[in-house]
Amino acid sequence: AQSVDQPDAHVTLSEGASLELRCSYSYSAAPYLFWYVQYPGQSLQFLLKYITGDTVVKGTKGFEAEFRKSNSSFNLKKSPAHWSDSAKYFCALEDTEGADRLTFGKGTQLIIQP
Amino acid sequence: NAGVIQTPRHKVTGKGQEATLWCEPISGHSAVFWYRQTIVQGLEFLTYFRNQAPIDDSGMPKERFSAQMPNQSHSTLKIQSTQPQDSAVYLCASSLHSQNTLYFGAGTRLSVL
Repeated sequence: AQSVDQPDAHVTLSEGASLELRCSYSYSAAPYLFWYVQYPGQSLQFLLKYITGDTVVKGTKGFEAEFRKSNSSFNLKKSPAHWSDSAKYFCALEDTEGADRLTFGKGTQLIIQP
Repeated sequence: NAGVIQTPRHKVTGKGQEATLWCEPISGHSAVFWYRQTIVQGLEFLTYFRNQAPIDDSGMPKERFSAQMPNQSHSTLKIQSTQPQDSAVYLCASSLHSQNTLYFGAGTRLSVL
């Protein structure tokens, strides 16, 4: 069975710093990988996805992520971070062998201090 | 495009009562998913429809939970004999097809007293 791990439950940074949120996965085949963001009081919004091809994918709001097959990671990055980036970020994996559903990590709560 | 619409936004039930949650997916989307979000468990997959047909209900607690999609414009999640541990935010999402972006509704916060 597939799984997604986001090892950092909380990350706190100063505005202007570079942010990198970690995500690793366990899956036997080639995965489809996603990042979603949840702002306080809101539902999840799509940021970006990796399906195939270029291992660095760019998304909305200035975010990008790099797929690394060698260590099964899909880390989310942005520089510089802005206080409005404060939110909870979820990494997710889609089963590519027919199930279609997304398996989510537990999420990383990001706080950007002004 | 109003996005995915979920009603009600909040529902409070007494233990043992029934709760029905409604979801209207984005027009033209062929896939509808239900997830449950809690602080402890995070986001848990419940069930999924494609072109109104149930595809995968592996996340559904079998005894009390059921989901239907009687037409392409709405889906329902029914919980019978609600228990305090059912308290969660229930999220509905739709997408054009697999590999595609999921668009989430605002969720229904269910509180079982």
